[in-house]
Amino acid sequence: GEDVEQSLFLSVREGDSSVINCTYTDSSSTYLYWYKQEPGAGLQLLTYIFSNMDMKQDQRLTVLLNKKDKHLSLRIADTQTGDSAIYFCAETEDQAGTALIFGKGTTLSVSS
Amino acid sequence: DTAVSQTPKYLVTQMGNDKSIKCEQNLGHDTMYWYKQDSKKFLKIMFSYNNKELIINETVPNRFSPKSPDKAHLNLHINSLELGDSAVYFCASSHRNTGELFFGEGSRLTVL
Repeated sequence: GEDVEQSLFLSVREGDSSVINCTYTDSSSTYLYWYKQEPGAGLQLLTYIFSNMDMKQDQRLTVLLNKKDKHLSLRIADTQTGDSAIYFCAETEDQAGTALIFGKGTTLSVSS
Repeated sequence: DTAVSQTPKYLVTQMGNDKSIKCEQNLGHDTMYWYKQDSKKFLKIMFSYNNKELIINETVPNRFSPKSPDKAHLNLHINSLELGDSAVYFCASSHRNTGELFFGEGSRLTVL
């Protein structure tokens, strides 16, 4: 079945860049997402990318997709303490009602 | 204006009891979901409903029964609660055309 893998922890210093990596197995993944979960809260969509794109930039966030290697990354520039959260990578084949398959989440810890 | 709201936010109960979690969305979305997040923060899809019809039913014990009285509501009823049911249950909804999931804040269930 489909699988999405992420490293579980990342620790960075404030002001540094953070790179969170994700790999997926489903070659028919069409939409790939990054969600953020702050402590005690639900998940919020950060950004997403279609499989026909290589890169997407949105302010401090850069998403890179290597479709050949089925590798997705999220780069956060100038990481702030408020970025400390769990980041989930997710994929789906289509948008219409198909459930997202989530990775296990990467806990980002930002120290000042 | 809460987009996806779940009640109760916290639920503590004894093994063997039956309990329900309610979810409502005011976004006009077609599809609603229940996800389970375990103590390690791993997220797994349980159920998905599209316009009140069940479209995804993952391998979940039949003690869990979702009910969708209308497309704005998806409730989760759990019979004969077990210790392993302790988790945070997230309701979510999505619009057919965008696929973005909007999550509720979660309902933390503790079974003693």
